[in-house]
Amino acid sequence: NAGVTQTPKFRVLKTGQSMTLLCAQDMNHEYMYWYRQDPGMGLRLIHYSVGEGTTAKGEVPDGYNVSRLKKQNFLLGLESAAPSQTSVYFCASSYYRTSGANTGELFFGEGSRLTVL
Amino acid sequence: SQKIEQNSEALNIQEGKTATLTCNYTNYSPAYLQWYRQDPGRGPVFLLLIRENEKEKRKERLKVTFDTTLKQSLFHITASQPADSATYLCALVTNYQLIWGAGTKLIIKP
Repeated sequence: NAGVTQTPKFRVLKTGQSMTLLCAQDMNHEYMYWYRQDPGMGLRLIHYSVGEGTTAKGEVPDGYNVSRLKKQNFLLGLESAAPSQTSVYFCASSYYRTSGANTGELFFGEGSRLTVL
Repeated sequence: SQKIEQNSEALNIQEGKTATLTCNYTNYSPAYLQWYRQDPGRGPVFLLLIRENEKEKRKERLKVTFDTTLKQSLFHITASQPADSATYLCALVTNYQLIWGAGTKLIIKP
């Protein structure tokens, strides 16, 4: 049982280049999330999905796009990378949506470290 | 403004002692609070959850308290071990949002 798998683990881009981060989960979770983690800051939600074919914006969506064509996969795209997007990106999934009624425990991948020069 | 704060300075504890980490928040009314552990180069791993109507939750050597009057959660590790060294993150759940603290680095010295 692999849990949540992210690829690639490391990537260096030049400003203006595009790339896609792939997240795959094998727990049959409905909910998936993309976060970024920067030094001295809490995890910030970029986009999330409440099911196959649906996506929604999080706290910091600008410069990113996502797609959830299959339930197990959640892709994060950068169309024109900027140095401000240098960060560690984490994908997560949960069985329940985070809410007051349910636990919404998140399962995270190992992270993808992106550097934009 | 809404804030969630954890000690930014690393916490150094002698092996065998109890480590206590703090999570303070302002201007939130969280439904519950989660604690995660994060090792260097790894993703966060869920540890414990405590609801607003619970004062205390335990799991093996871990204990979490939640004081909605003080707007504070405390995370305790008793009989600490070097293997407990990691960064610990707290996260508030309110209105379908999960708000994360920046984490506190815990170092357990042998």
